[in-house]
Amino acid sequence: GAGVSQSPSNKVTEKGKDVELRCDPISGHTALYWYRQSLGQGLEFLIYFQGNSAPDKSGLPSDRFSAERTGGSVSTLTIQRTQQEDSAVYLCASSSTGPRNEQFFGPGTRLTVL
Amino acid sequence: KQEVTQIPAALSVPEGENLVLNCSFTDSAIYNLQWFRQDPGKGLTSLLLIQSSQREQTSGRLNASLDKSSGRSTLYIAASQPGDSATYLCAPQRSFNKFYFGSGTKLNVKP
Repeated sequence: GAGVSQSPSNKVTEKGKDVELRCDPISGHTALYWYRQSLGQGLEFLIYFQGNSAPDKSGLPSDRFSAERTGGSVSTLTIQRTQQEDSAVYLCASSSTGPRNEQFFGPGTRLTVL
Repeated sequence: KQEVTQIPAALSVPEGENLVLNCSFTDSAIYNLQWFRQDPGKGLTSLLLIQSSQREQTSGRLNASLDKSSGRSTLYIAASQPGDSATYLCAPQRSFNKFYFGSGTKLNVKP
């Protein structure tokens, strides 16, 4: 596609439910990043995928958070047993490899946990 | 851990002014540095990327400079327009997969 796409754009869920957020990176980009942006805060790194390498999960805030990337393309971020503090905008970005690994971001998914 | 500070936090200027946004970072051993803009309720749009071997990059009315040794980058916007109103974020890249973001400068350009 022309850019990074994310779905859904908005998600409202009840506390304790599981949610899945999807990211479609730019075709050919091997690197994929997930970030979280809470209201009025900066971007918080969550997880990084690069090709077939083991992902860097160092930013995941708890074991309720997990992510996978199938076929080196689409990625899904799953949050189990959602809590109100999970409410935020979840942003996905992709980049190519090489010295100019410029990040391109999707529009984000706004998650609201009631 | 890389600390990124952006000054000012907010800026309001009349249309047509030239302005400078500042970004400082604590770890000078960076790979690249990228500037983004974020419109309300939207994702980030890449403006400029400065590779570690470069000192500046230009795109239209935007010019970004990088001084790694002092841990500083500046974004210069010439002849500002109301459409430039957004939050501007800088992101030094510590390693291939580690970008650190500042809290941004919220710019308002008044017609």
